[in-house]
Amino acid sequence: NAGVTQTPKFRILKIGQSMTLQCTQDMNHNYMYWYRQDPGMGLKLIYYSVGAGITDKGEVPNGYNVSRSTTEDFPLRLELAAPSQTSVYFCASSLGGGAGYTFGSGTRLTVV
Amino acid sequence: GENVEQHPSTLSVQEGDSAVIKCTYSDSASNYFPWYKQELGKGPQLIIDIRSNVGEKKDQRIAVTLNKTAKHFSLHITETQPEDSAVYFCASGGGADGLTFGKGTHLIIQP
Repeated sequence: NAGVTQTPKFRILKIGQSMTLQCTQDMNHNYMYWYRQDPGMGLKLIYYSVGAGITDKGEVPNGYNVSRSTTEDFPLRLELAAPSQTSVYFCASSLGGGAGYTFGSGTRLTVV
Repeated sequence: GENVEQHPSTLSVQEGDSAVIKCTYSDSASNYFPWYKQELGKGPQLIIDIRSNVGEKKDQRIAVTLNKTAKHFSLHITETQPEDSAVYFCASGGGADGLTFGKGTHLIIQP
């Protein structure tokens, strides 16, 4: 089992560009999450999904979009990149809301 | 929404000594309290968790205690080793809308 796989690992974007951060899991977990991690600020929830076809906003959703067409995949879309979106992004999955997360290894994004 | 406070932000201990990290939470409906360890350049990894119907849980050198009345929980690491150096995060939740994380504690083990 690969667990949770995120691609790319690093990316530099120019202001106004768009990109998709990929996340896939092979554990048949229904719940998937996107967090961003900024230095000294912990992890902030961007979006989450409790199953294919269902997504909902977290604490900091502005500037992002998600889709969940399959159980395995949960891509995060940045439409108009801004410097404030410079961060490390983590995808995670779990069996349920009260279960431990498995995190991916992260995507370090820099917007210049 | 839920608010999780974590202290201290940095903790330096001598190898072999114990380390304690404390967290408080605000939502009395929270019933799941995991702890994650994050090494440099990696994603957080679950090391131990506790549910609201339990007051204490132990796994070798790691233990977690929970006081639901006071809304606080703590991570205890005994006989610390160099490989325990990392950033530790507490979290609180249990519902479908994800976990709320503390801001992290950078644990430094001095040789």
